[in-house]
Amino acid sequence: NAGVTQTPKFRVLKTGQSMTLLCAQDMNHEYMYWYRQDPGMGLRLIHYSVGEGTTAKGEVPDGYNVSRLKKQNFLLGLESAAPSQTSVYFCASISIASTDTQYFGPGTRLTVL
Amino acid sequence: DAKTTQPPSMDCAEGRAANLPCNHSTISGNEYVYWYRQIHSQGPQYIIHGLKNNETNEMASLIITEDRKSSTLILPHATLRDTAVYYCIVYNQGGKLIFGQGTELSVKP
Repeated sequence: NAGVTQTPKFRVLKTGQSMTLLCAQDMNHEYMYWYRQDPGMGLRLIHYSVGEGTTAKGEVPDGYNVSRLKKQNFLLGLESAAPSQTSVYFCASISIASTDTQYFGPGTRLTVL
Repeated sequence: DAKTTQPPSMDCAEGRAANLPCNHSTISGNEYVYWYRQIHSQGPQYIIHGLKNNETNEMASLIITEDRKSSTLILPHATLRDTAVYYCIVYNQGGKLIFGQGTELSVKP
């Protein structure tokens, strides 16, 4: 049981480049979330998913797209990266069982030049 | 989505109980109260959650008022490793999980 893993851990992009961040969980959790955290700030919700094939917008969805084709994977895409998207990105995985513990990944540190 | 209000910072002496308050006056009947903490730049760590009743686990206790408009997270014997930002969140299963600014707890020797 690896919990929640995020790929890659670090990435540097040039303005206008695209990339995809992968969040993977092996706990059969239904709900998955993507956040960004800027220096000295709290976490802001980008997009989330309540099940395979479903996604919804969070607080700051602009400039990002997501997909949940498989229950265990939640992908976050940047189509045309901008310096304002420089941040640390965290993924969370949550079970439908209210008694279950929730898990966050270790984060992906993205720099856009 | 219900919002929460927490003090921006608190201090606690090592070995003493840390009591972190949270106001959530607009919480609805099916929303849970969750607590997380974040140490440095690590991913947030789940601590505890509850709906109506008080809860206790190996990490902490959660006291929810009878009207559910506020709650307190209690770390019974704070250590230096408990220094972190603590987030109180109200969450409806399957809905948005929104973080506020949290309380920065400093545990001092």
